[in-house]
Formats: sequence, C-alpha cells, structure tokens
Amino acid sequence: AQTVTQSQPEMSVQEAETVTLSCTYDTSENNYYLFWYKQPPSRQMILVIRQEAYKQQNATENRFSVNFQKAAKSFSLKISDSQLGDTAMYFCASNAGNMLTFGGGTRLMVKP
Amino acid sequence: DGGITQSPKYLFRKEGQNVTLSCEQNLNHDAMYWYRQDPGQGLRLIYYSQIVNDFQKGDIAEGYSVSREKKESFPLTVTSAQKNPTAFYLCASSRNRNSYNSPLHFGNGTRLTVT
Repeated sequence: AQTVTQSQPEMSVQEAETVTLSCTYDTSENNYYLFWYKQPPSRQMILVIRQEAYKQQNATENRFSVNFQKAAKSFSLKISDSQLGDTAMYFCASNAGNMLTFGGGTRLMVKP
Repeated sequence: DGGITQSPKYLFRKEGQNVTLSCEQNLNHDAMYWYRQDPGQGLRLIYYSQIVNDFQKGDIAEGYSVSREKKESFPLTVTSAQKNPTAFYLCASSRNRNSYNSPLHFGNGTRLTVT
C-alpha cells in the first residue's frame, strides 16, 4: 500500500516571494510517478507538475519546481514569485500501478 | 472542448434514499475514477474502472456502487448503506488503463448533502 504525507496543513507567503510545500511518500514499487495537484476555491483539481521516479532531474514548470529526493522518499514543491492566483489547496500524490494516492493537502494563502 | 462533466453540482437527499451521481467524459479515456473529499482532507478513492464492463473497489467502497456500461460514462450510486454520505465527490479519468504515468483529468465535482 502507498501512503502520502503532507505535514503542513496551512502555509502563507507574501506575494512575489518563494514558498516550499513538503511531501513524503512510501511505496514498495520501483516504477512510479509523483504529482502535485492544485485545488483553487472553485474546487477544480488542476495538475501542477509531475515527476518520474526513475528520472534524477527535478521537474520544472515555469514558476513551479520540485525537489525530488528518491532515497528519502521526499517530493517537495517550490513556488517562485508567488502570485495571488496561487492561493489554493495543494495535494501531493503518488501513482504506482493503477491507483493514485493523495496526501491530506496543504492550504496555501498568498498575501498581497 | 474535451472534458469531464459531473452533474448536478449540488445534490440534496433525505437519509435512506439512494442517489446517483453522473460522470461523463469525451476525452476517449480508458480509465475512470471516483474520489470522495471531506472538508480539509485529501481525496480518497471509492471505485475505479480501467475498461468498459469492469471496475474495482478503492479504499472506501462500502456503501457505494458503480457501473461502466459505456466508455464515456461512470455513474456512482450512493446507497442508504453509506453511513456518512455528505461529502464532495470528484470524478476523474486518465488516458491509459494500465499506465502509472497518465495524469488524471478531473470534473468539477458534486457536493452531496444528505439530511
């Protein structure tokens, strides 16, 4: 079974600053993917970024990047130049096999 | 535009009644999923289907049932056996049925309130 843990229930950051959201996971699979999803107040789940476990290079998508530490089973999300529109719930997820397991989420508030 | 449509957005039912939540996708995706989200919590998998006429239980399937008669449709029935049905329900789909790298596409969700 997979488990995904997000230890920060809530975080805040000033607009234009950088924030890092933490995520740890546990899986016995060798091949898996890791994802960060964003859920704004509209509650639509939006894929932010994904990382292939067998790739050592950290994934980046514009202002979003990850720090993937496979041995430590850590997968943190860094948001640079935070914008007000980044205010949302952020969920880390692990996909091994056919099931996607989500963490409990981190509520991020970007302050003007 | 391709996407996933969940209806209705809000649903109210009396305790003891079964209720069916609709989920339709026109993305030509093989796999479909139902998740439940409670306030301040993550998503928990109820059921998933990798192919038409086949589905598997997720982590919290008790009190729920599904069908997959068409590729495009994956309705979820919340039965009276579900002890705490009030929640936000999200439907999702993914392109490949046996791939771990296919990201999920989500619908806008249905908020079910049972009183």
